[in-house]
Amino acid sequence: DTGVSQDPRHKITKRGQNVTFRCDPISEHNRLYWYRQTLGQGPEFLTYFQNEAQLEKSRLLSDRFSAERPKGSFSTLEIQRTEQGDSAMYLCASSPIGTGGVGVYGYTFGSGTRLTVV
Amino acid sequence: AQSVSQHNHHVILSEAASLELGCNYSYGGTVNLFWYVQYPGQHLQLLLKYFSGDPLVKGIKGFEAEFIKSKFSFNLRKPSVQWSDTAEYFCAVNARNTDKLIFGTGTRLQVFP
Repeated sequence: DTGVSQDPRHKITKRGQNVTFRCDPISEHNRLYWYRQTLGQGPEFLTYFQNEAQLEKSRLLSDRFSAERPKGSFSTLEIQRTEQGDSAMYLCASSPIGTGGVGVYGYTFGSGTRLTVV
Repeated sequence: AQSVSQHNHHVILSEAASLELGCNYSYGGTVNLFWYVQYPGQHLQLLLKYFSGDPLVKGIKGFEAEFIKSKFSFNLRKPSVQWSDTAEYFCAVNARNTDKLIFGTGTRLQVFP
């Protein structure tokens, strides 16, 4: 499978617990993106990496959220002290770097991790 | 800041009807434009994109979109829809000086046989 993989597919957690999601991008893609999608909304940008460097983080992202991509391959997104408002689908996408970048290639999305905070 | 507006939240059509989904963006500079589709239970897939050149872009499954710069629009069209086109459709914009896509809220399309 050469697509973007996300694990787990579903996560139910109690409010206040910490959760961590993993994303494995397409191997030759240098850029990796995290988005969040709630019901009735489009994907909302959270953060992105070029190799292991985190280049941008949304101002909407609270300090409870942290993302890493330590070796420039897979990435993890951690949410500390989860709240009910964190319930959403968390999407990972990847893109190659090249002339035109995102404009030429667009993103390839994974299937997402659905988080439910109870 | 960039933003995307999709005016049609829910569209219901019969098979063979023509489709046009509106998308307008807000950004003064050069942009790349995208339409993504999400079939029930599946992940977001790229339908088509505009990067440069001919403003009429053809994508997969008979879809096309036209970039009208003066109207800041990138409407999606299909002359004859099929039941299998039932899905959610998202328009997205990328400002050329950034690497992130900004998505609209999506349009849910239901096609009845």
